[in-house]
Amino acid sequence: AQSVAQPEDQVNVAEGNPLTVKCTYSVSGNPYLFWYVQYPNRGLQFLLKYITGDNLVKGSYGFEAEFNKSQTSFHLKKPSALVSDSALYFCAVRDRGTDKLIFGTGTRLQVFP
Amino acid sequence: DTEVTQTPKHLVMGMTNKKSLKCEQHMGHRAMYWYKQKAKKPPELMFVYSYEKLSINESVPSRFSPECPNSSLLNLHLHALQPEDSALYLCASSPELGVSWYEQYFGPGTRLTVT
Repeated sequence: AQSVAQPEDQVNVAEGNPLTVKCTYSVSGNPYLFWYVQYPNRGLQFLLKYITGDNLVKGSYGFEAEFNKSQTSFHLKKPSALVSDSALYFCAVRDRGTDKLIFGTGTRLQVFP
Repeated sequence: DTEVTQTPKHLVMGMTNKKSLKCEQHMGHRAMYWYKQKAKKPPELMFVYSYEKLSINESVPSRFSPECPNSSLLNLHLHALQPEDSALYLCASSPELGVSWYEQYFGPGTRLTVT
């Protein structure tokens, strides 16, 4: 079965510092991986996805993610965090058999001024 | 227009009420989804429609009844809900079901409280 894991419930970072939100995956075959962000009392917003090709994927709002096949990871990164980046971040993988989106448990990012 | 809209934003209903949630998209997407999300948890898939036909029902209780009257609209009819059904209900759409690299576009959700 396809799955993703987000090992950190919360990540704290100072504004201006680089941030990393971790995600590891377990899939059979090549993975289709996604990152979504959810601001309080809002729906999920798509940030970026990995399908194939370059291991470094660039997305919205200055975010990027690095796909690492040997470590089965797809960590979300941003060179310089903003207070407005504070939100709940979900990593997800597409189950190609059922086409369902399988979400991780989420990581709360808190950026302090 | 890359927007999925949902109405109402908030809904409070009693356990004997009947209400409906509405979702709309005008992106020409042919797959539409209902999710339920509890606080600080990931969304849980409830239903998937493809070309206006129900494709996936995740063993959701019959007090939730989905409907897809046309390719732009998705409804969720609610009847005799329980307090534990209180949650954020999210609608999403994607261009096609069965094309795994398409992302899903989510609406802002309806915050449902069952009293």
